[in-house]
Amino acid sequence: EVQLLESGGGLVQPGGSLRLSCAASGFTFSSYGMSWVRLAPGKGLEWVSGIRGSGGSTFYADSVKGRFTISRDNSKNTVYLQMNSLRAEDTAVYYCAKDRGTTVTYFEDWGQGTQVTVSS
Amino acid sequence: DIQMTQSPSSVSASVGDRVTITCRASQGISIWLAWYQQKPGKAPKFLIYGASSLQSGVPSRFSGSGSGTDFTLTISSLRPEDFATYYCQQANSFPYTFGQGTTLEIK
Repeated sequence: EVQLLESGGGLVQPGGSLRLSCAASGFTFSSYGMSWVRLAPGKGLEWVSGIRGSGGSTFYADSVKGRFTISRDNSKNTVYLQMNSLRAEDTAVYYCAKDRGTTVTYFEDWGQGTQVTVSS
Repeated sequence: DIQMTQSPSSVSASVGDRVTITCRASQGISIWLAWYQQKPGKAPKFLIYGASSLQSGVPSRFSGSGSGTDFTLTISSLRPEDFATYYCQQANSFPYTFGQGTTLEIK
């Protein structure tokens, strides 16, 4: 059974940083692309970032490019999202999602999410 | 960026009804489209990919169709557990984008 467990969320001041982690189990981690998707209050889903199974290619939404960095450690079955220069509009539940294949396309399995709140 | 527009934004229906949700892309995306279901406080659930391929374990009352710029999600006979918000997502080109969501409410 696929399990994705996010951690690292919390309350941070504008301009601050957080690192989210997503620990995966139940599948061959390095064979699948991984993404982060967020749901802001009163808004719809927004894809944030993705990384291929090998970790060789990364992709970002325009709204986070230059501020967020996705990475993965295939030896630890974990994907990360380093979030810098946080803004109020980054407040959301952040979900980790496993792709259908080695690249980044569709989000087949999801974690339960971790709350990030950016506020002074 | 490709914009995804869903209609309607909300719809009221009864158990047993047939419901269709539409998703339109701002440019052609072939069949690179998925549908998700989300209930309040829960993670999204993956329903359909490649515009019309049903994910394993998803009931056959769900179906998808379309290609290019116009797509539909149809639920043939609503069950109580289907009342939720539905999103389309394009996977044709980065950055990937979702529709704004369609909330399916009980009439």
